[in-house]
Amino acid sequence: GAVVSQHPSRVICKSGTSVKIECRSLDFQATTMFWYRQFPKKSLMLMATSNEGSKATYEQGVEKDKFLINHASLTLSTLTVTSAHPEDSSFYICSAASGQNSYEQYFGPGTRLTVT
Amino acid sequence: GEDVEQSLFLSVREGDSSVINCTYTDSSSTYLYWYKQEPGAGLQLLTYIFSNMDMKQDQRLTVLLNKKDKHLSLRIADTQTGDSAIYFCAPRAAGNKLTFGGGTRVLVKP
Repeated sequence: GAVVSQHPSRVICKSGTSVKIECRSLDFQATTMFWYRQFPKKSLMLMATSNEGSKATYEQGVEKDKFLINHASLTLSTLTVTSAHPEDSSFYICSAASGQNSYEQYFGPGTRLTVT
Repeated sequence: GEDVEQSLFLSVREGDSSVINCTYTDSSSTYLYWYKQEPGAGLQLLTYIFSNMDMKQDQRLTVLLNKKDKHLSLRIADTQTGDSAIYFCAPRAAGNKLTFGGGTRVLVKP
């Protein structure tokens, strides 16, 4: 089946620094990737949708200058949390789909970000 | 936007059936998914149903869809301890966007 990886799985960074999270589709081409955020014991909230080669579409309330998304290739999307603060600490999960009409999204294992 | 509601918790004895319920608001949802999440892990797609179907069975899993009432359920037959996890209902809207319910934590007791 389709596999999506995320790197790193866990990261701890100091307040004010930036951290990059990678999402890779390992055995298929992902024309669309999604980034979600999950707070402890809560549901997933869609942050943004990125299509390869174009700018990401952010959900309402998500700061695009704080959460930079790059989808430069069909197998890689990155999320950079800039000037991180403790309130950015969360579980970030990406998913990938092989086309806008593809009925399946394949989820990565998630990245736990802790900002101290 | 879409609003998806699930009950928070379900406790079931091993070997019994589990039924997890979900209600949603967007009648234009095309596909409706069930995902499973184990502690500290990502999401695993369990099954899905297309909006023109009433029922779908996949081994121990049965999905029922009442489109009129916007109600979706997942039945797990012969529940095992490995089924203990959080289950998310996620209707899909235009652009392949999923809206997740709050998740139902299922605890299977031996």
